[in-house]
Amino acid sequence: DQQVKQNSPSLSVQEGRISILNCDYTNSMFDYFLWYKKYPAEGPTFLISISSIKDKNEDGRFTVFLNKSAKHLSLHIVPSQPGDSAVYFCAASAWSNDYKLSFGAGTTVTVRA
Amino acid sequence: DTGVSQNPRHKITKRGQNVTFRCDPISEHNRLYWYRQTLGQGPEFLTYFQNEAQLEKSRLLSDRFSAERPKGSFSTLEIQRTEQGDSAMYLCASTLGLAGGNEQFFGPGTRLTVL
Repeated sequence: DQQVKQNSPSLSVQEGRISILNCDYTNSMFDYFLWYKKYPAEGPTFLISISSIKDKNEDGRFTVFLNKSAKHLSLHIVPSQPGDSAVYFCAASAWSNDYKLSFGAGTTVTVRA
Repeated sequence: DTGVSQNPRHKITKRGQNVTFRCDPISEHNRLYWYRQTLGQGPEFLTYFQNEAQLEKSRLLSDRFSAERPKGSFSTLEIQRTEQGDSAMYLCASTLGLAGGNEQFFGPGTRLTVL
């Protein structure tokens, strides 16, 4: 049962433009959400997170938006840079489940020069 | 670098053999997680430890899998009688736990290939 879904397997964006990655979840108990970035042959690297008590969190070029009523979150990268080309995973966790992570399948981002 | 480390990075084995992987978490982190990732999928939870106590095992973890964290520091994941379906990337992550935030920090993974 896939509780976290990333419906876009890939995204291509021009350097300097905005990248928008989307993620949907089904479990209403999730209360903490994270985005990870993964390069080939490396483990996922933590990018940014958001608690369910907030609807926005910003860290430099990365902003995560949470819409609890729609069970939807998104990651905005502005401006996109060639080094942002990677696979991005959305993950969700719940206090009631001891914060074990449930991941989406990932979105491959390619930033074109 | 004091990040999470995993060894070996790659393991090729024949079906039926036993394999063991090691994970060294960030030193002050008391929680350690194991995940498995197959091609085109996100990581899937396998098991986790609070210090030396194993708190939960996923239904994905058959009886052929066992994990330990004997002194609350490094952890090992052993797979007995490997099968081709065990081929995957095995990821380890650590975190301070609820008191210190919920971000899990991952190691580089061990890629297992079962022939």
